[in-house]
Amino acid sequence: SQTIHQWPATLVQPVGSPLSLECTVEGTSNPNLYWYRQAAGRGLQLLFYSVGIGQISSEVPQNLSASRPQDRQFILSSKKLLLSDSGFYLCAWSLFSGGAETQYFGPGTRLLVL
Amino acid sequence: GDSVTQMEGPVTLSEEAFLTINCTYTATGYPSLFWYVQYPGEGLQLLLKATKADDKGSNKGFEATYRKETTSFHLEKGSVQVSDSAVYFCALKKTQGGSEKLVFGKGTKLTVNP
Repeated sequence: SQTIHQWPATLVQPVGSPLSLECTVEGTSNPNLYWYRQAAGRGLQLLFYSVGIGQISSEVPQNLSASRPQDRQFILSSKKLLLSDSGFYLCAWSLFSGGAETQYFGPGTRLLVL
Repeated sequence: GDSVTQMEGPVTLSEEAFLTINCTYTATGYPSLFWYVQYPGEGLQLLLKATKADDKGSNKGFEATYRKETTSFHLEKGSVQVSDSAVYFCALKKTQGGSEKLVFGKGTKLTVNP
């Protein structure tokens, strides 16, 4: 069966410090991968998605970047964190099927920038 | 562009009360529709889905019917329990650039009191 992992679960970082959040998927090949941010009172916002290794699409301009160095690994990064980067970051995966495939979410990383 | 509008929360109910969370959407074509649930401190889980008009998704006592004429996908449950306390997200799926992306509503927080 497929599983998705995210770490760390919680992170407190000072403004201006770098960030690296990791997401890995097991039990499937060539998944679509997604990074979402959930900020208080703002719902769920898609940040990046990837349909394959090295292929990243950005949904909104921001202080963050994403990379996919391996088929089942998706990394969210920043060189210098801003206060506004605080939030709950969720990774998700799906298989493209042309139908109503489901996105499966990881447990999330709670980031607090101080 | 495609969008999802959910009723604003928070919603507070007593145990065994009837629940309705409204969701309407704007989209080209006929998207697939989803309800996701997020329990405190966790990632999102798929609750139910519907792929075409008049389809009814159901799970754990929750139901939602895809209404094309009113572009709605309201979530209902006849008798809520304390364990249903969570944030509920309505979403539609669109296909773009070889990837299938979800567009989420802002979420509705439900609290069920004993």
